[in-house]
Amino acid sequence: DAGITQSPRHKVTETGTPVTLRCHQTENHRYMYWYRQDPGHGLRLIHYSYGVKDTDKGEVSDGYSVSRSKTEDFLLTLESATSSQTSVYFCAIRGGMDTEAFFGQGTRLTVV
Amino acid sequence: GDSVTQMEGPVTLSEEAFLTINCTYTATGYPSLFWYVQYPGEGLQLLLKATKADDKGSNKGFEATYRKETTSFHLEKGSVQVSDSAVYFCALSPTRAGGTSYGKLTFGQGTILTVHP
Repeated sequence: DAGITQSPRHKVTETGTPVTLRCHQTENHRYMYWYRQDPGHGLRLIHYSYGVKDTDKGEVSDGYSVSRSKTEDFLLTLESATSSQTSVYFCAIRGGMDTEAFFGQGTRLTVV
Repeated sequence: GDSVTQMEGPVTLSEEAFLTINCTYTATGYPSLFWYVQYPGEGLQLLLKATKADDKGSNKGFEATYRKETTSFHLEKGSVQVSDSAVYFCALSPTRAGGTSYGKLTFGQGTILTVHP
């Protein structure tokens, strides 16, 4: 199995609080991604990274920020959580543009 | 921008039936195309891929052919099993650098497949 770990796996937080999700990899892969999965919407890209300190927005980036200060870690931050951000969040890693992406086990976030 | 459209589901079949899940895409250039599968409670895993026109990806009895002329990558299996019940995602990735799509990986909305004995 690819070395990718998401933390925490489950979190319940209150509206308006900041939340940070962590994705850690041991594969030294260049690309890292954050997606959210919601019923009826499939998998939607939030942000992705193509190198240390190189990130770009996906289709649903509003309300989210990311940071990648070293190859192995990609952090997703909800600056002020809202109920609409209740979702399952997946991190993925990939070595090249036409190679397989490996997914983490997901983080279930509930904003109350 | 790049996008992927999958047939609406859910799809319900009896064991040994033929499966087709349609996938079409919009992209500039020549993207790589993928099918991923997600079993209940798990993350996604690669099922098959194709990186250029007319390539056929195959795995575990599933096949998909990269059709540039129809911008399609339909998933097929000749005889499904109960164990194939899962959510199937079509995805694309541009293979040429440039702009904000460098390394981007875009998924369709997913198709839920249920196979009954």
